Amino acid sequence: RKEVEQDPGPFNVPEGATVAFNCTYSNSASQSFFWYRQDCRKEPKLLMSVYSSGNEDGRFTAQLNRASQYISLLIRDSKLSDSATYLCGGSGGYNKLIFGAGTRLAVHP
Amino acid sequence: DGGITQSPKYLFRKEGQNVTLSCEQNLNHDAMYWYRQDPGQGLRLIYYSQIVNDFQKGDIAEGYSVSREKKESFPLTVTSAQKNPTAFYLCASSIPAGELFFGEGSRLTVL
Repeated sequence: RKEVEQDPGPFNVPEGATVAFNCTYSNSASQSFFWYRQDCRKEPKLLMSVYSSGNEDGRFTAQLNRASQYISLLIRDSKLSDSATYLCGGSGGYNKLIFGAGTRLAVHP
Repeated sequence: DGGITQSPKYLFRKEGQNVTLSCEQNLNHDAMYWYRQDPGQGLRLIYYSQIVNDFQKGDIAEGYSVSREKKESFPLTVTSAQKNPTAFYLCASSIPAGELFFGEGSRLTVL
């Protein structure tokens, strides 16, 4: 089983839709979790850190469920500019960060 | 401005040649990482270093080597033992347990 797993998508949604991504992790000792956004042929950029209490930044909400070992990302009111690949990452011990394969999102008019 | 610089951005290599990818950071981060990304795939960890003069293998270290002689620098050598080296290579740095900051990547193509 991979340490971090994501639904690869693609998720094709219309503008204005709400879309949710889930990511599961296998290492119960993982402490830090992050969502990154990656545009085509570019480096990943931090979208949000994920805290136990959940956190929100504008249209984006991230949540952590330690009991079920998953993290989620909710995007409300999708924009065309949200089209990208979303990577989740979790600490895999020794402070190394392990990533899932990424979920592709395509927002269409 | 603080950040991570990778070079070269594009690199072509003949089979059987070793190549070294440079990664420099001025963020004063202790930890540095190398990831490999193949088309349509996520990031796979090659090597990481938590402190100067120390590094650990990641999930796909075979055919690669690194050094960490200075805090700012973490070069990656892709050796001829790496059978399928064509990929996008990403270097990153962080504080312990913190988020990663990535360089712009180096795209290696084997001819």
